[in-house]
Amino acid sequence: DQQVKQNSPSLSVQEGRISILNCDYTNSMFDYFLWYKKYPAEGPTFLISISSIKDKNEDGRFTVFLNKSAKHLSLHIVPSQPGDSAVYFCAAPLNRDDKIIFGKGTRLHILP
Amino acid sequence: DGGITQSPKYLFRKEGQNVTLSCEQNLNHDAMYWYRQDPGQGLRLIYYSQIVNDFQKGDIAEGYSVSREKKESFPLTVTSAQKNPTAFYLCATRTDPRYGYTFGSGTRLTVV
Repeated sequence: DQQVKQNSPSLSVQEGRISILNCDYTNSMFDYFLWYKKYPAEGPTFLISISSIKDKNEDGRFTVFLNKSAKHLSLHIVPSQPGDSAVYFCAAPLNRDDKIIFGKGTRLHILP
Repeated sequence: DGGITQSPKYLFRKEGQNVTLSCEQNLNHDAMYWYRQDPGQGLRLIYYSQIVNDFQKGDIAEGYSVSREKKESFPLTVTSAQKNPTAFYLCATRTDPRYGYTFGSGTRLTVV
């Protein structure tokens, strides 16, 4: 059972425009949601998180929105830059001291 | 400089051979994890350990074994029983729930 779902395997966006990556979840008990960025042959790096009691968190060009009623979150990148081309994983800790559940990832291509 | 060291970066193994992937951390984190990444599959949990001398199976533990004799080290052995061992393997430690994991740079294992 996939508790965290990223239904778009890939996304292409023009440089300078907004990139929107989507994520759906089924477990209403998640306390936090996390986004990771991964380049080929490297480990993922933490990008931004949001608490389940918030509906928005912003950090520079990155904003994450959480819609709890729809069990949906999205990552917005504005403006998109070439270095943003990577795979983005949505994730959620199962509980405070346990494992983290990852989505399958979305590959973002920023076009010149 | 604190971090996670995975070695080697690239590893080639003949079919039928066991191989051990190294993961060392100097972050003083209790919890350590092994994930496997395959194209289109996201990150799948193999094993995790929350304290020394204790570990639990993840979602795809078959064909793998681990040990946790020291806090700093969590080696993963890929045995000959693992049917599809070619993959990118990631080791991680757990930090604050808001930030999730810190990942190593990964080991690419190829069975030849």
